[in-house]
Amino acid sequence: KAGVTQTPRYLIKTRGQQVTLSCSPISGHRSVSWYQQTPGQGLQFLFEYFSETQRNKGNFPGRFSGRQFSNSRSEMNVSTLELGDSALYLCASSLALQGPGYGYTFGSGTRLTVV
Amino acid sequence: ELKVEQNPLFLSMQEGKNYTIYCNYSTTSDRLYWYRQDPGKSLESLFVLLSNGAVKQEGRLMASLDTKARLSTLHITAAVHDLSATYFCAVDGGNGNDMRFGAGTRLTVKP
Repeated sequence: KAGVTQTPRYLIKTRGQQVTLSCSPISGHRSVSWYQQTPGQGLQFLFEYFSETQRNKGNFPGRFSGRQFSNSRSEMNVSTLELGDSALYLCASSLALQGPGYGYTFGSGTRLTVV
Repeated sequence: ELKVEQNPLFLSMQEGKNYTIYCNYSTTSDRLYWYRQDPGKSLESLFVLLSNGAVKQEGRLMASLDTKARLSTLHITAAVHDLSATYFCAVDGGNGNDMRFGAGTRLTVKP
């Protein structure tokens, strides 16, 4: 069965630009979470969506936003990119109705480099 | 706020040796997860521990959970080079909160 699919795998953007990342969860999974991973801060929670509703949000500025569609696919957007936004962005999906439940399955990630 | 602490952060082992990675967390939670990450790769689920006293084993790795002590351990038996990776523990924040990760333990197994 297909895993969590993230596109694109790599992105290079210039400061001030905006970027949209996409995530398709495992079929049947309705919960999608996003994490940012950097060497300095580790894995940090961005937000969680369930049935098109954002249920939980991490401590990130408003430049980071997301949404979920009726087919559970999710996108996250970062506007006015800063150098510090360079990171691996990981999407994870879960069967649980709330929280990670029996655990998240992670996608391969999108490596964003801001220059 | 839920805090998750792993130690050690770096671990260099000889092949064939045993060692334990510790994961402490600050609030009550019955669910703890272990993940493995290879360089440049995503996170691979290793174990899901869902209750106090849970013990899971897969190959040379064994994980346990003591919710009263708020402690999980990942024990490595007779390490081999293929186990070299970064290992993360993560705790379910509960009440609809997110999963919080430890900083990770970078394990290097030397021949």
